[in-house]
Amino acid sequence: KQEVTQIPAALSVPEGENLVLNCSFTDSAIYNLQWFRQDPGKGLTSLLLIQSSQREQTSGRLNASLDKSSGRSTLYIAASQPGDSATYLCAVSTTDSWGKLQFGAGTQVVVTP
Amino acid sequence: DGGITQSPKYLFRKEGQNVTLSCEQNLNHDAMYWYRQDPGQGLRLIYYSQIVNDFQKGDIAEGYSVSREKKESFPLTVTSAQKNPTAFYLCASSIFSRNEQFFGPGTRLTVL
Repeated sequence: KQEVTQIPAALSVPEGENLVLNCSFTDSAIYNLQWFRQDPGKGLTSLLLIQSSQREQTSGRLNASLDKSSGRSTLYIAASQPGDSATYLCAVSTTDSWGKLQFGAGTQVVVTP
Repeated sequence: DGGITQSPKYLFRKEGQNVTLSCEQNLNHDAMYWYRQDPGQGLRLIYYSQIVNDFQKGDIAEGYSVSREKKESFPLTVTSAQKNPTAFYLCASSIFSRNEQFFGPGTRLTVL
């Protein structure tokens, strides 16, 4: 069964510093990987989707990389702002269980002014 | 304004009572999903549906039931058989071929 791990569980950085969030998964036969943001008491907001054939995906200050062979994805957030404070979740779907996302527990990020 | 709506935002259940959570989407997505989120844990899949009148159990389906009579709607019933239903429930939908999931705002269920 696919297992998804996000380390660290919590992270605090000063404003302006770049954020690096890690996601690892055990089964490299993935269909795609999705990064989400969740604010307290709210639903999930999709940030980036990386298909298995892609190595990275970019949107504004966000960049996500994917290395299937090592079972890792990294989300980079450039020049962090206090508004980036949230919990970031990664989720993976595998080729033999299409549509079923396996989630990590998330990394809680605080950006201090 | 396209999106996913969930109602109610907060729901309180007494012991032995069944309750139904609503999920509606106007994105014309084929697939819909229900997840449960507990503090400090990732989301866990309860049920999912790829087409109307068809649905499959996820990882934690016991004590829950669903229906998919319309493409836009995927209600979740939390039955009295679910022993620990207090949690945050999230509904999602996706285009069948792309599998990029979009989420609603959630319903927080509390057992009194």
